[in-house]
Amino acid sequence: EIVMTQSPATLAMSPGERATLSCRASQSVSYNLAWYQQKPGQAPRLVIYGASTRATGIPARFSGSGSGTEFTLTISSLQSEDFAIYYCQQYNVWPLRTFGQGTKVEIK
Amino acid sequence: EEQLVESGGGLAQPGGSLRLSCAASGFTVSDSYMSWVRQAPGKGLEWISIIHNNDNTYYADSVRGRFTISRDASKNTLYLQMNSLRTEDTAVYYCARERGGYGYFEDWGQGTLVTVSS
Repeated sequence: EIVMTQSPATLAMSPGERATLSCRASQSVSYNLAWYQQKPGQAPRLVIYGASTRATGIPARFSGSGSGTEFTLTISSLQSEDFAIYYCQQYNVWPLRTFGQGTKVEIK
Repeated sequence: EEQLVESGGGLAQPGGSLRLSCAASGFTVSDSYMSWVRQAPGKGLEWISIIHNNDNTYYADSVRGRFTISRDASKNTLYLQMNSLRTEDTAVYYCARERGGYGYFEDWGQGTLVTVSS
């Protein structure tokens, strides 16, 4: 069983600051890692796939990096609409799809 | 524009059954990799089932043997038959689509709430 672990659980940031979210896999997932953003009462929205490719319509301030077992989502300058919960998800261990437990980015 | 609309959620008793539907528009369900993902109140996302475009199906351990994923091409609709429901199945259930079958979810429905309680 593959386990995805995200840290920190909560990130208290101010608008304009740089946010760095981490995701660790219990075994290598190569580059098969996606990030999602979820706001209260809404469905998740794909932000990054392939570890570093932005999804359609995602602003350039979002970037992803990493491979194997260590991944990072960076938001270069937080905007008010970026405060949300972010989930990572692996899709290397076929046919399973496994989510991390989420990181909440909240306003300090 | 691709759209997914879930329905069928509600209150069920422990041991009971419910069938969720996910009506698709703007694309063909039978050509797609379609999943169900759930989210318990205040908790994270949990993938529970997928149906491939070749009709192969897979389940998470938590629902295997109790839930069945299927689709009706004529209605362009995805289903989740949930039997032997438990209180821990209480969640918002989302259907989600992998456009290329690559493993990540590009399209999501708005979710339907299932509450299992006596």
